[in-house]
Amino acid sequence: EPEVTQTPSHQVTQMGQEVILRCVPISNHLYFYWYRQILGQKVEFLVSFYNNEISEKSEIFDDQFSVERPDGSNFTLKIRSTKLEDSAMYFCASSVNRVFQPQHFGDGTRLSIL
Amino acid sequence: DQQVKQNSPSLSVQEGRISILNCDYTNSMFDYFLWYKKYPAEGPTFLISISSIKDKNEDGRFTVFLNKSAKHLSLHIVPSQPGDSAVYFCAASAGGNSGGSNYKLTFGKGTLLTVNP
Repeated sequence: EPEVTQTPSHQVTQMGQEVILRCVPISNHLYFYWYRQILGQKVEFLVSFYNNEISEKSEIFDDQFSVERPDGSNFTLKIRSTKLEDSAMYFCASSVNRVFQPQHFGDGTRLSIL
Repeated sequence: DQQVKQNSPSLSVQEGRISILNCDYTNSMFDYFLWYKKYPAEGPTFLISISSIKDKNEDGRFTVFLNKSAKHLSLHIVPSQPGDSAVYFCAASAGGNSGGSNYKLTFGKGTLLTVNP
């Protein structure tokens, strides 16, 4: 069964450094998402992406965050200058359509900021 | 932000019995509801969904019930199996009611289901 794959599984970074989290969505999916889960808290939406542009973003997704689909298969989340509070599990998801279609999630990247 | 609430942090049932997981929501714009299962160190796995035009959807051992007037949904697992032991998340979106602008999922905190052999 097709899967969303994320790399790396664990990323350790010094505060202030840039980090790029990578995702390969399911191949025939057109809509892409990033979510995060801080330890002990809910899974929360960051951003959605369609047709090479952001379609929706949350208040969390400030100027330090950016997303890109650099080629036909990868979808990346970049944090320019990481903060301690960016430590979380980051999940990528994709869906074939938006309306009444489930989003399928990858296994996540655990980001640890030191 | 408590738009989706799962009030039971944990539930324990015997193998072969029914598991009932509950979820309440406050946002009347939500029109699509999903259940995800999550094992440790893995991402949420989609289980079953229901749109607001239905009140029940069934897939094998899993059935989701939606009560729009009460803003309540539930997931029934019959019969429960030890492999069902995981955290179950309820999620909702308002895509169909948002004029095409809001497809993000809003999650509950999850319920840890333990199925005892």
